[in-house]
Amino acid sequence: NAGVTQTPKFQVLKTGQSMTLQCAQDMNHNSMYWYRQDPGMGLRLIYYSASEGTTDKGEVPNGYNVSRLNKREFSLRLESAAPSQTSVYFCASSEGQGGWDEKLFFGSGTQLSVL
Amino acid sequence: DQQVKQNSPSLSVQEGRISILNCDYTNSMFDYFLWYKKYPAEGPTFLISISSIKDKNEDGRFTVFLNKSAKHLSLHIVPSQPGDSAVYFCAANNFNKFYFGSGTKLNVKP
Repeated sequence: NAGVTQTPKFQVLKTGQSMTLQCAQDMNHNSMYWYRQDPGMGLRLIYYSASEGTTDKGEVPNGYNVSRLNKREFSLRLESAAPSQTSVYFCASSEGQGGWDEKLFFGSGTQLSVL
Repeated sequence: DQQVKQNSPSLSVQEGRISILNCDYTNSMFDYFLWYKKYPAEGPTFLISISSIKDKNEDGRFTVFLNKSAKHLSLHIVPSQPGDSAVYFCAANNFNKFYFGSGTKLNVKP
């Protein structure tokens, strides 16, 4: 009954370092998403993947890349981390069947600090 | 510019009373709205939703109201309980892209 699993839970980086956030879902969902949460800004969409093999930019894609490795896994990469990328990152998934009542299911988040 | 707005960062109510959380949106193409609840150090969890063809949806103590002409929705919690203390996010679904508000932190005092 894992749902959406994110790793790592915490990470501290120095400016300029790179890292990849991993996400996997076991609900056989088609669509997957990466959000960041910042104080006063709510949840902002970074990238999403409507289905395996496709990815699209969200509201705040600059400084990030993504890979939809297979139907289960969707990773987020920071090539050269900046202090402005200090945030809490959430991965989410949805059935992606195009139904009007789609819901997002979230992972527990990754707290990232860039010094 | 945010398409979904929650203008009250925080709300404090007494246990047993009604909590009313508000949300406004700008895009008239939005046709499905959701409320999520988030506890510290956890991911958001789905609470309740409403389609644009309805103006009200109830689930136990939670009711969501939608006023399409005003582009406004609200979440009512009756009666409020201390366990309801959390951050509540309003969201809109537009072709499987979900747009979130900035959240309202609800504190229910015993």
